[in-house]
Amino acid sequence: AQSVTQLDSQVPVFEEAPVELRCNYSSSVSVYLFWYVQYPNQGLQLLLKYLSGSTLVESINGFEAEFNKSQTSFHLRKPSVHISDTAEYFCAVSEARGSTLGRLYFGRGTQLTVWP
Amino acid sequence: GAGVSQSPSNKVTEKGKDVELRCDPISGHTALYWYRQSLGQGLEFLIYFQGNSAPDKSGLPSDRFSAERTGGSVSTLTIQRTQQEDSAVYLCASRDRGGHSPLHFGNGTRLTVT
Repeated sequence: AQSVTQLDSQVPVFEEAPVELRCNYSSSVSVYLFWYVQYPNQGLQLLLKYLSGSTLVESINGFEAEFNKSQTSFHLRKPSVHISDTAEYFCAVSEARGSTLGRLYFGRGTQLTVWP
Repeated sequence: GAGVSQSPSNKVTEKGKDVELRCDPISGHTALYWYRQSLGQGLEFLIYFQGNSAPDKSGLPSDRFSAERTGGSVSTLTIQRTQQEDSAVYLCASRDRGGHSPLHFGNGTRLTVT
């Protein structure tokens, strides 16, 4: 089984500042990694995912995340945030094989608040 | 519809009553998941289905909680003798293959037990 740790429950930043939301997972077995975003009063949406290949993955709205196997991390970054990025962000991990193949493990979430 | 549909969107019930929450996954998705989202608690895994069987129901908090899935499609989550601590948003998600494909979430059912 996996555990997913999102180290910051709240991240307040000013508009146009850079931001990093941290995510670590527990196991070094082969994994798939995801970031989901939940805007106020909406359901969760996939932001980006790492399955294999290049360790740096990007979303269409300027976020990127880097898979670091040695540190078992998948931190989410954006060089310049907008007020519209205010949302809760969830890191999630799925094991690529084994008895828990189908299960997706989530972190507790990080509330990103962007101030003008 | 194109997405995962959950009903009702809101449910208020009295303590001790039973409730049924429904999830219609995306057509063709074989895997279906139930999660619970409470304030400050993140997403709590409840159960997942592969087809009609539930290989992992380890997250169900007590024997008052049960879920079923029929025809490889619709799923219902039943909570018997509801308690105030059951108040939360119950999220359903589906995906078409295991492991590497992302989950598609519904908008959830907000359950309030008074």
